[in-house]
Amino acid sequence: RKEVEQDPGPFNVPEGATVAFNCTYSNSASQSFFWYRQDCRKEPKLLMSVYSSGNEDGRFTAQLNRASQYISLLIRDSKLSDSATYLCVVNPRGATGFQKLVFGTGTRLLVSP
Amino acid sequence: DGGITQSPKYLFRKEGQNVTLSCEQNLNHDAMYWYRQDPGQGLRLIYYSQIVNDFQKGDIAEGYSVSREKKESFPLTVTSAQKNPTAFYLCASRAGGLWPQHFGDGTRLSIL
Repeated sequence: RKEVEQDPGPFNVPEGATVAFNCTYSNSASQSFFWYRQDCRKEPKLLMSVYSSGNEDGRFTAQLNRASQYISLLIRDSKLSDSATYLCVVNPRGATGFQKLVFGTGTRLLVSP
Repeated sequence: DGGITQSPKYLFRKEGQNVTLSCEQNLNHDAMYWYRQDPGQGLRLIYYSQIVNDFQKGDIAEGYSVSREKKESFPLTVTSAQKNPTAFYLCASRAGGLWPQHFGDGTRLSIL
């Protein structure tokens, strides 16, 4: 089983739609979680961190479900500019040190007019 | 402005040649990372460094080498032993612990 798994998509949605992605992780000791956005031929950029209590930033909401070992990203009122690949990132070994983060392969979102 | 600077943006390698990709950060982060991304694929870790003068191999270290002589700098050399070097190379740094990584804007390496 992969450490971090994402549905590659693409998710094709019309403007204004609500879309949600899930990401599962295998290490129950994982402590920190992030969503990144990557545009075509660009570097990944941090979208938001995922806290145990959930996190909301404008149209974006991230949630963590430790019992089922997944994190989710909800995008409301999709814009054309939301079209990108969304990467799920997990710190698999906890809060200490600088252990390597594990990146999912990404979920592609296409928002159409 | 604080950030991570990668150079060059585009690089071409001849057969049998070693090339070095530069990565500099002024974020005062201890940890630095090098990734490779092939078209339509995810990120693969090449090397990472948690502290000056120390680094560890990632998942695909063969054909690459790094150094970490200064906290700010983590250059990557793509050696002639790397037979398929064409890819998008990304450098990242991190403050550690629970913090996320921040990426430079990448170097595209191609074979001439």
